[in-house]
Formats: sequence, C-alpha cells, structure tokens
Amino acid sequence: EVQLVESGGGLVQPGGSLRLSCAASGFTVSSNYMSWVRQAPGKGLEWVSVIYSGGSTYYADSVKGRFTISRHNSKNTLYLQMNSLRAEDTAVYYCARFRGAGFFAFDYWGQGTLVTVSS
Amino acid sequence: QSALTQPASVSGSPGQSITISCTGTSSDVGSYNLVSWYQQHPGKAPKLMIYEGSKRPSGVSNRFSGSKSGNTASLTISGLQAEDEADYYCCSYAGSSFWVFGGGTKLTVL
Repeated sequence: EVQLVESGGGLVQPGGSLRLSCAASGFTVSSNYMSWVRQAPGKGLEWVSVIYSGGSTYYADSVKGRFTISRHNSKNTLYLQMNSLRAEDTAVYYCARFRGAGFFAFDYWGQGTLVTVSS
Repeated sequence: QSALTQPASVSGSPGQSITISCTGTSSDVGSYNLVSWYQQHPGKAPKLMIYEGSKRPSGVSNRFSGSKSGNTASLTISGLQAEDEADYYCCSYAGSSFWVFGGGTKLTVL
C-alpha cells in the first residue's frame, strides 16, 4: 500500500528555516517524480516544487532561491528545505507522488504538515 | 504562473448533475491535454478524481467525468450524492516543468 507521511512542520519566525520530511512506503521515491504542494489557511492549492527521478528539480517562482527539494534514496524520504521564510509561506505542506507519462497527475498525497511563519 | 480560474461555489440537489469549469490560457490548459481534478474534504488531503482531462483512476465513480474545450476544462458530477460535497481543484501542466492549480470550487449538495 502506498503511503506518504509528512513531518517537520511547526512555528518559525520570519527569516527562519525549517526542513520538512516525507517518508514514503509502498513504492520507491527515487524512481518516481515527487512534488510538494501547499495550501495556505482557507486558500487553494499551490504547486511548490518537483524532483524528477533523474534528479532534476524545479520550483514555483514564489519559492525559487529559498526552498530546496531533495531526497534520501536509502531512507526512501523526500525533503523540503525552507529558508528565509515569510509570513506568506504559512500553509499546510503536502508531499505528493506525480505519476508521469500516461497518467500525468498527483496520484498519492500525504496528510500534510502545517508550517506557521510568525513572530 | 497565474492560478486557473474556477467558480468559487456551485450547488445542486441530490440526483442532479453539476459542472465545474476551469479556465486557463493557451500556455497551460489550451496547450496540453493534461488537466487533472482533485476532491478535498475538510481537513483531508486532496484525492485524484480525473487525470489527463477525462480519465478516471481505478476506484473513482463513473459519476465523475472530465472534458476540455479550448482553454477551459470541465468536471461534471452526475447523480449528485451527499458525500460529493467537498472542494474541487483543477490542475494543469503549464510547460517547463511547472504546474498550476485552480483556486478551488466549493460544491454544496442541497
């Protein structure tokens, strides 16, 4: 059974850093495309970043240069390093598996972890 | 990377059909047949309902269907049921390894 479990969220001051983790089971992270999607309180979904199976990474303009997506193959875990955090980064962060060609959609999602940026 | 445009809310009675629109541009919805739709109940993670515009994943009811015309994609739910009440989001590939979501539509089953 595919499962994604995020952790690492919490309260952080503006300008601070936080690293989110997403532990996967039932499939291999490094063989799949993996993404982070966030949802500000009461708002819609916003795509944040993707890492391809080959290791290429891409980011939304709103986080480029501040966030870094990565993975640890032996731990089968996805990460999101968030630096220079702003109030507008406050959101529930979901990790999601992106299934590629012939499907092209986010087919499994974690339960999310809340990041609150506030002084 | 502007969000796709969805109506804020739609409603329907049990048994009726409703359609949620998702309008993008020629750079995203209009360029790719790669729109997906997600259902989200309060406090829960999104669930994939439609991929590649009109295909249903295994386990999703055939009451859910998708289509596209030009820069607008649509999700139709037929035979509305109480459990369909949720927020619905469209998502489109926007090229260059970017994805864009819609603002979401709250479906109320009257």
